[in-house]
Parts: sequence; structure tokens; C-alpha cells
Amino acid sequence: DARVTQTPRHKVTEMGQEVTMRCQPILGHNTVFWYRQTMMQGLELLAYFRNRAPLDDSGMPKDRFSAEMPDATLATLKIQPSEPRDSAVYFCASGPVGYGYTFGSGTRLTVV
Amino acid sequence: RKEVEQDPGPFNVPEGATVAFNCTYSNSASQSFFWYRQDCRKEPKLLMSVYSSGNEDGRFTAQLNRASQYISLLIRDSKLSDSATYLCAVTYNQAGTALIFGKGTTLSVSS
Repeated sequence: DARVTQTPRHKVTEMGQEVTMRCQPILGHNTVFWYRQTMMQGLELLAYFRNRAPLDDSGMPKDRFSAEMPDATLATLKIQPSEPRDSAVYFCASGPVGYGYTFGSGTRLTVV
Repeated sequence: RKEVEQDPGPFNVPEGATVAFNCTYSNSASQSFFWYRQDCRKEPKLLMSVYSSGNEDGRFTAQLNRASQYISLLIRDSKLSDSATYLCAVTYNQAGTALIFGKGTTLSVSS
């Protein structure tokens, strides 16, 4: 089965450090999403791309978060500087429009 | 951003029971609707799409009520393996691309 690949699976970092999470979407999927999941907030949409162009990043704290898609096989989510409140599971998902999306296994981020 | 709401549960049912979850959404322009299943410490996985005419997949039935703006998921003959969190997802923009999720309903099936 085709899958969305996320790296790293786990990341522990100190407050103030830069964190970069990577996602390889399923080949041929033109829409890529970044979500963040916490117990309190559930799954929050951070940003998404279609055909590599950013469509909406209104869910993302702009001062510290950035999302890019340098090519069709790679999406990145960067946090600089990281804070303890950024601790969460970050999911990437991809799919064709309207058919539901496939999630990666997530990056479990802990900021201490 | 529009809201999607679910009863968090937990729903505790015995094997063989029938259980139903509802999910309400606030954006009347939403076009696509889905149910996802999420196991503990795993990623959400697409369970089924929800069509206007309703749809069934084995023991699972999903329905959409546009007038009242809710979707439902019915699970018949519950199995232990159905224990999970069930998330509803709704598109929030006119392009029908981006999904927003409810916080999920937890189901626990016991023997």
C-alpha cells in the first residue's frame, strides 16, 4: 500500500531550538496537509498545499512556524524557536481533492 | 474557521451491541464528509466517506442530514476490534479541499 512517510517519528528538543519535520506524500497526490494533535485541542489544521502552492496557513502561528513544499516529494514544517506548548503529534496527510486523505504516522514532538 | 462537534464519550458497549455516533457541523457550505478511525498512538485512518444518500460498508452505516447539519455513524454487531476513537471530518472551504476534524468519540467494546 502507498503511504505517507514522516520523519522523524520522535523528536525531543530543548526550548528555543529549531525543529524541522519532513513529509513525503503519496506519489500523485496533489494536496498535502499539516495537522497538529493534542489531547486538549484535537486535530488542528495548520497549513495545506495544492500542487505545491500554499493555500491556507491561517492555522499556524506565523511568528515561529513555517511550512514549505520545495518539490512534489517533500513537504516541511519548521518551528523556530520551539516552545514547550508546541509539544504535540504533528501529522502530514495527502490525497486527491474530495476523496479523504491518507495520514502519515506522525512526528511526536516533545519540547522541554 | 467553522466548528465540528462530537460527543467525546466514552461509549462503553458489550460485544454484539449496536452503537451510533453523531457529529454536527456549523458550515452549511460543507461539501464532503468523512469518518476516520484512530487507534491509540496511531494516525487517523479513513473509515468511510459519507454521501447524501447514505452509505453502508459491512457493519458500518454512515448518513448525512444536511438540513440539520449532522452526520452519523452506526456500528452494528460491535467487535472488540472496533474499540478506537472515531473522528468525523468535514470540508470547510468552498473548494472542498481542507478537512477540519471533530475531537473524536471514544468507543470501548468489552467481552
